[in-house]
Amino acid sequence: SAVISQKPSRDICQRGTSLTIQCQVDSQVTMMFWYRQQPGQSLTLIATANQGSEATYESGFVIDKFPISRPNLTFSTLTVSNMSPEDSSIYLCSGRQGWETQYFGPGTRLLVL
Amino acid sequence: AQSVTQLGSHVSVSEGALVLLRCNYSSSVPPYLFWYVQYPNQGLQLLLKYTSAATLVKGINGFEAEFKKSETSFHLTKPSAHMSDAAEYFCAVSDRGFGNEKLTFGTGTRLTIIP
Repeated sequence: SAVISQKPSRDICQRGTSLTIQCQVDSQVTMMFWYRQQPGQSLTLIATANQGSEATYESGFVIDKFPISRPNLTFSTLTVSNMSPEDSSIYLCSGRQGWETQYFGPGTRLLVL
Repeated sequence: AQSVTQLGSHVSVSEGALVLLRCNYSSSVPPYLFWYVQYPNQGLQLLLKYTSAATLVKGINGFEAEFKKSETSFHLTKPSAHMSDAAEYFCAVSDRGFGNEKLTFGTGTRLTIIP
């Protein structure tokens, strides 16, 4: 199994600012993902973080708003840029080991005022 | 694209009673199926997974799920509910493949345990 940690665990930010969330996995994973979970809702995939190259974004998410880096097999960052109150969500990092098993971090709870 | 439907956004059971959370998938080819649990203010924890071995899958905390191809279902059960089982439960699905398939989540079921 993999243990995933995220920093910060929560933050309150002002409109128009940016926040970078860090994700660290304690062992190598084949793939890393970033999800958003809006209040009371299910998880929506933002993007797949690709090592050493540009992330692959899902429909409705763009690199300018959610730039992602993955410099190695166990670390990734997600930046939420030019934030608005609509960006208030839980952001979850996830890593896949083997063919199919995905593990999740504890999430970063973001409130934008 | 794969999808899962979770029937019942809220389920309440008495402590000690059977827990049954429903999940149906949409695919003619058996996919990979998962159940995750999310406790308040925490991330998701993998409860169990179905990847083509035994159709009855046992997970952590006394939960199990049975894959039924004829019903395209993967319902989660636990014989006797504990207060600590109160949480949000998500069913998820992905295609079989080479490890780069996306995981799609259901809308979740909030389980409440009545003392």
